[in-house]
Amino acid sequence: DGGITQSPKYLFRKEGQNVTLSCEQNLNHDAMYWYRQDPGQGLRLIYYSQIVNDFQKGDIVEGYSVSREKKESFPLTVTSAQKNPTAFYLCASRAQGEGTTDTQYFGPGTRLTVL
Amino acid sequence: AQSVAQPEDQVNVAEGNPLTVKCTYSVSGNPYLFWYVQYPNRGLQFLLKYITGDNLVKGSYGFEAEFNKSQTSFHLKKPSALVSDSALYFCAVRAAGTYKYIFGTGTRLKVLA
Repeated sequence: DGGITQSPKYLFRKEGQNVTLSCEQNLNHDAMYWYRQDPGQGLRLIYYSQIVNDFQKGDIVEGYSVSREKKESFPLTVTSAQKNPTAFYLCASRAQGEGTTDTQYFGPGTRLTVL
Repeated sequence: AQSVAQPEDQVNVAEGNPLTVKCTYSVSGNPYLFWYVQYPNRGLQFLLKYITGDNLVKGSYGFEAEFNKSQTSFHLKKPSALVSDSALYFCAVRAAGTYKYIFGTGTRLKVLA
């Protein structure tokens, strides 16, 4: 799991409630990513950020929002607009630029369950 | 459009036998290819990658993969499987010059004692 931490490990959300998943990295990586994992569907990209104060939409953005105010932090908010948020959420980071390894490193994940 | 296919949902192999987990890809331009392994309720762990150079790449825990440009494949292999190799394996591709990684749907490897 490298130098990426995600919290909490398990999160329970009530209907209509917004929740925020934390992702922090101490790898000095520029790029950070959020993925959603559902059984049999692999990983789907929600948002990614290449630099501070900038982020791009992935494939499934409805009901999700992010911010990138600091290089080491990329929190994901799951809003009530996300109709089926129960899933395993993975954060990843990657160094960019010449001489970097081009490898994504993943955090341990957060399992979100809607009650 | 970029895509990755892992045609087998599950692969069963006896301990000590060689294993292969298949991956094919479609991407415009040069592909950067990756294999990751995931244990239950854990994040993905990097195994190996192909960026350029030798088509046979060696990675962690005795795994290797061969890049085949003509067949657009990047199959994961190991000469002798261990029970502890049982896990979910993901293939991923990123096209050169882009920032987005595309993951396959995963293959569950079960190594039988």
